Amino acid sequence: GEDVEQSLFLSVREGDSSVINCTYTDSSSTYLYWYKQEPGAGLQLLTYIFSNMDMKQDQRLTVLLNKKDKHLSLRIADTQTGDSAIYFCAESKGNAGNMLTFGGGTRLMVKP
Amino acid sequence: NAGVTQTPKFRVLKTGQSMTLLCAQDMNHEYMYWYRQDPGMGLRLIHYSVGEGTTAKGEVPDGYNVSRLKKQNFLLGLESAAPSQTSVYFCASSYSMTYEQYFGPGTRLTVT
Repeated sequence: GEDVEQSLFLSVREGDSSVINCTYTDSSSTYLYWYKQEPGAGLQLLTYIFSNMDMKQDQRLTVLLNKKDKHLSLRIADTQTGDSAIYFCAESKGNAGNMLTFGGGTRLMVKP
Repeated sequence: NAGVTQTPKFRVLKTGQSMTLLCAQDMNHEYMYWYRQDPGMGLRLIHYSVGEGTTAKGEVPDGYNVSRLKKQNFLLGLESAAPSQTSVYFCASSYSMTYEQYFGPGTRLTVT
């Protein structure tokens, strides 16, 4: 099975908060990332968190990490239509090559 | 800076044909990566390179070859294309193993 799992789809109204969830299986993961992919474009790093942290906030983005449950979430406050995209979580061990293992992506649709 | 560029953007091949995808980066990054993205799945690492003249296998290397003759370029070759290689291919680069990976815009390849 997948090492990193995400739900496929999330729909919210403009102005609401969005919460995108991710679970991973490898407890030795060192870094956990959130990437955003807009239509026809490559992936853009939104934020990341080290495995020794519980929370990281960056403007409208809040990342929560529950290491015990191997659960990562991305909260987007005041979601805008421009936030509509596919969001990928990824993990790495920070070892040689820094190989990333990606989830399948969550498509966020923001309705006006 | 152009960042990470990929050539071509689209390509259609017949089964058995060969082609080379070119990735170029102008950020003087040591690490470069080739991923493929299939519907409903996260990106999967094909091959990567930790420096000029070096390459290593990723998660799904079969059917692909790579070369890194120059630091700024990373080539992905398909010697005998198969329909299973229909995918979107992304190249990425990073300064080192703990730094952010920057992605190119992708190459959409269809093998008929």
